[in-house]
Amino acid sequence: ETGVTQTPRHLVMGMTNKKSLKCEQHLGHNAMYWYKQSAKKPLELMFVYSLEERVENNSVPSRFSPECPNSSHLFLHLHTLQPEDSALYLCASSQDLGSGGSTDTQYFGPGTRLTVL
Amino acid sequence: AQKVTQAQTEISVVEKEDVTLDCVYETRDTTYYLFWYKQPPSGELVFLIRRNSFDEQNEISGRYSWNFQKSTSSFNFTITASQVVDSAVYFCALSETNYGGATNKLIFGTGTLLAVQP
Repeated sequence: ETGVTQTPRHLVMGMTNKKSLKCEQHLGHNAMYWYKQSAKKPLELMFVYSLEERVENNSVPSRFSPECPNSSHLFLHLHTLQPEDSALYLCASSQDLGSGGSTDTQYFGPGTRLTVL
Repeated sequence: AQKVTQAQTEISVVEKEDVTLDCVYETRDTTYYLFWYKQPPSGELVFLIRRNSFDEQNEISGRYSWNFQKSTSSFNFTITASQVVDSAVYFCALSETNYGGATNKLIFGTGTLLAVQP
């Protein structure tokens, strides 16, 4: 496997279910991200992790719970979601967060298409 | 506040035509980075280019070229001799400078859907 992978690619769940999205990066990066992409809206940054530490929680409802056990893996645990949470969830990674006036390029996975019934 | 505007929601061209995708940005920072990503129907955002605010040289990569003009806060993307495989949504994004403790945020435009007809 190369780059950034995400599983599952498609997920349909009821509002009372609990599920998890998985992201794995094979690039040796230290930072990982979760984005939400809804129809007709710009990509929304949800969470940022750097060296397994969460550094950004962008006002995301608590029904979304991220987990980063190591710098190669990122999970998004889902519970009691709402229909408006249906979207494409994209994971990304970058070498680091950037420093000293620089910024690191983010590389994205193929996304998980989530449908909440 | 940072903002990226891609005014063209959808563009349709016939194969072999040239097409330019517009991107206008707003930022108060003097040091920043601009990106273009391609999102084919498969969903993955594919990185195309990164440009920092001090490098205004235009760039060409095969059939792709980028025109960065700080005077108009624009970073436009041109595809020459378009092909059906170029059909995708293209996103322009802006990242401000990180001075330690920042989170490498990308501010995305709403994207331009390019349809290349055979």
